[in-house]
Amino acid sequence: RKEVEQDPGPFNVPEGATVAFNCTYSNSASQSFFWYRQDCRKEPKLLMSVYSSGNEDGRFTAQLNRASQYISLLIRDSKLSDSATYLCVVRTSGSARQLTFGSGTQLTVLP
Amino acid sequence: DAGVIQSPRHEVTEMGQEVTLRCKPISGHDYLFWYRQTMMRGLELLIYFNNNVPIDDSGMPEDRFSAKMPNASFSTLKIQPSEPRDSAVYFCASSRGASGRSGAYEQYFGPGTRLTVT
Repeated sequence: RKEVEQDPGPFNVPEGATVAFNCTYSNSASQSFFWYRQDCRKEPKLLMSVYSSGNEDGRFTAQLNRASQYISLLIRDSKLSDSATYLCVVRTSGSARQLTFGSGTQLTVLP
Repeated sequence: DAGVIQSPRHEVTEMGQEVTLRCKPISGHDYLFWYRQTMMRGLELLIYFNNNVPIDDSGMPEDRFSAKMPNASFSTLKIQPSEPRDSAVYFCASSRGASGRSGAYEQYFGPGTRLTVT
């Protein structure tokens, strides 16, 4: 079983739609959680950290469910510029720095 | 502020040749990471450094790969000899230290080096 699993998609949604991605992680000792986005042929860029109480950044909302070991990302009022691959990222060990990346969920927002 | 800088951006080489990839982390960041990304395997951590010292190189695929960080502002990843299966995008990322502080574990990526070995 992969450490971090995501639905690869693709998700094709119209502009203005709300779309949600889920991600599950296998190690209950995981400590830190992030969502990164990666545009085609570009580097991954940090979208947002995910906090235990859930957090929001504009149109983006991230939730963490430790009991079920899943993380979600909700995008409201999607824009064409949101088209990208969204990577779920987990840090497991308390002091270590390694991040484990999911394989990503591809989103295309259609005009 | 300048982000992570990588060079070259593209490298095409023949099998058996030596390849050297370069990275300059964000100033003030204590951690530097080398990743490889392929369609088949996704993003894989190869090695990471803390204060110029290699901490975990368990992801380095084999002895053909080596990495150094001679100072806080420069690191290299070398492949010798290169093989076609090494073709991938190689990313360098950096993060700051101070565990426990907000944002301490966030990593910032460079634009990558697209390596093609023929």
